[in-house]
Amino acid sequence: AQSVTQLGSHVSVSEGALVLLRCNYSSSVPPYLFWYVQYPNQGLQLLLKYTTGATLVKGINGFEAEFKKSETSFHLTKPSAHMSDAAEYFCAVSDRSNFGNEKLTFGTGTRLTIIP
Amino acid sequence: NAGVTQTPKFRILKIGQSMTLQCTQDMNHNYMYWYRQDPGMGLKLIYYSVGAGITDKGEVPNGYNVSRSTTEDFPLRLELAAPSQTSVYFCASRASGGQGRSPLHFGNGTRLTVT
Repeated sequence: AQSVTQLGSHVSVSEGALVLLRCNYSSSVPPYLFWYVQYPNQGLQLLLKYTTGATLVKGINGFEAEFKKSETSFHLTKPSAHMSDAAEYFCAVSDRSNFGNEKLTFGTGTRLTIIP
Repeated sequence: NAGVTQTPKFRILKIGQSMTLQCTQDMNHNYMYWYRQDPGMGLKLIYYSVGAGITDKGEVPNGYNVSRSTTEDFPLRLELAAPSQTSVYFCASRASGGQGRSPLHFGNGTRLTVT
């Protein structure tokens, strides 16, 4: 069974500083990888995803993530944090398929706080 | 375009009561899901459906039931509420074609407290 680990349930960074949220997966075959963001009192929305091709993936709001097969990682970064980035971030994995009813497995989430 | 709509937003239940959490989507998505979110636990899949008339269990189905009579609606039923069902419940949907092509669209959640 697939699993995903997010290191650090809470991360605080200063406004303008680098954001780094860590995600590692456990799968015998490289899965599809996703980052979702949840703003207060809202549902999750897709930030970015890796399916195939270029291993550096760019998402919305200036975020990007790099798939590293050798490290089984998919860390999320943003060069300069903004106050509006304060939210909870979830890494997720699914089986590598474009046809079936594969389901997402979510990590436990990382709450990002931005310090003014 | 409303997307995925969940009602109610909040609910307090007494132990043993029953209720239905409503979910409807207007994107003509075949796949629909119910998740529960507990602090520090991420999201756990309760039930899912791949189309009208077809439902299946997820990771944590005990204490819940679902039905899917139309493409648009996917209600979640709690028959005998227990304190362990205190949680935030999210409904999500996606188009066909797999997770890689068709990511999930989430509703804004229902916060349920059972006392």
